[in-house]
Amino acid sequence: QVRLQESGPGLVKPSETLSLTCSVSGGSINSDYWSWIRQSPGKGLEWIGYIYYTGGTNYNPSLKSRVSMSVDTSKNQISLRLNSVTAADTAVYYCARQGYSYFDDWGPGTLVTVSS
Amino acid sequence: DIVMTQSPLFLPVTPGEPASISCKSSQSLLHSDGYNYLEWYLQKPGKSPQLLIYLGSNRPSGVPDRFSVIGSGTDFTLNISRVAAEDVGVYYCMQAHQTPLTFGGGTTVEIK
Repeated sequence: QVRLQESGPGLVKPSETLSLTCSVSGGSINSDYWSWIRQSPGKGLEWIGYIYYTGGTNYNPSLKSRVSMSVDTSKNQISLRLNSVTAADTAVYYCARQGYSYFDDWGPGTLVTVSS
Repeated sequence: DIVMTQSPLFLPVTPGEPASISCKSSQSLLHSDGYNYLEWYLQKPGKSPQLLIYLGSNRPSGVPDRFSVIGSGTDFTLNISRVAAEDVGVYYCMQAHQTPLTFGGGTTVEIK
């Protein structure tokens, strides 16, 4: 069972870019798919997209124009960038390992607040 | 997008008693490989979601056998045979049949 840890700024200004990193330990990133999922305060879960260790991606169409993901296999990290953020992007952001169709390992999540 | 609809929204339960949560999808989740691409997650208070059921009705190691799922296609029911105090939290179903992956709105389970 791998361990995942999200990190990044907890506060982002409107119209700026949200950048998060997910560090993977206890296993190699060189397999499986790695997803980002978010949860707005008091609301449900929204899948943002996934990246394969080779760099292939699949993004939620609702965010596709603003999102990008990358992988750094040398550091065992994946990254998320979401640009032109608004208050609606305020959420807890999780990274998760997608072993097949399901998420079997999750990070603890990191709260990102969009506010001036 | 596939819409996932859960009910009830809120479920007060008595320890030792059974409980059920319904999950309906707007499209069939039954794949040609015979699996329903339907997963269940439990988010305990203050924690990340954890996998409870995968590929329709399979329990990961460590998940008690009091959790089971019946159904196929578009209608599914998560059953807890005898609720335990540690089962409180929000239950989500999620479809992995096609992207974008989508979640149900969640069912909050609390002890009466």
